[in-house]
Amino acid sequence: RKEVEQDPGPFNVPEGATVAFNCTYSNSASQSFFWYRQDCRKEPKLLMSVYSSGNEDGRFTAQLNRASQYISLLIRDSKLSDSATYLCVVSGSARQLTFGSGTQLTVLP
Amino acid sequence: DAGVIQSPRHEVTEMGQEVTLRCKPISGHDYLFWYRQTMMRGLELLIYFNNNVPIDDSGMPEDRFSAKMPNASFSTLKIQPSEPRDSAVYFCASSLAGQALYFGAGTRLSVL
Repeated sequence: RKEVEQDPGPFNVPEGATVAFNCTYSNSASQSFFWYRQDCRKEPKLLMSVYSSGNEDGRFTAQLNRASQYISLLIRDSKLSDSATYLCVVSGSARQLTFGSGTQLTVLP
Repeated sequence: DAGVIQSPRHEVTEMGQEVTLRCKPISGHDYLFWYRQTMMRGLELLIYFNNNVPIDDSGMPEDRFSAKMPNASFSTLKIQPSEPRDSAVYFCASSLAGQALYFGAGTRLSVL
């Protein structure tokens, strides 16, 4: 089993739609969780950290479920500019972060 | 504030040549990571440093790869000799206390 698993997609959604991504992780001792966004031919960029109580940043909401070992990202009112690959990131041992393989999102006009 | 700075941005070389990639982390960050990204294998961790000391190099593909961090503001990743299968985007990233990573723009390496 991979340490961090994501549905690779692609997700193709119309502008204004709500879309959700899930990510599962295998290390129950993981303490830190993040979502990154990567545009084509660019570096990954931090989108948001994921906190135990869940957190929101504008149109983006992140949730953590420790019992089931998954994190989620919800994007409301999606924009064309949201088109990117979304990477789930989980801390492993010795402060090492493990990246999922990414979920590709395309928002269509 | 300057982010992570990598050079060169693009490198084209011939098989067998030595390649050196450079990275300047964000000032004050105590962790530095080298990643490689390809379409087939995604983002792979090669090696990381804490306070300039290599902690885990288990991701380094083979002896042709080496990395150094002589001081807190500079790191190199060297490939000698390079091979076509080394073609990839190499990212350097830094973090404070092992929290969120901040990536450089990457070096796109093509080995012919």
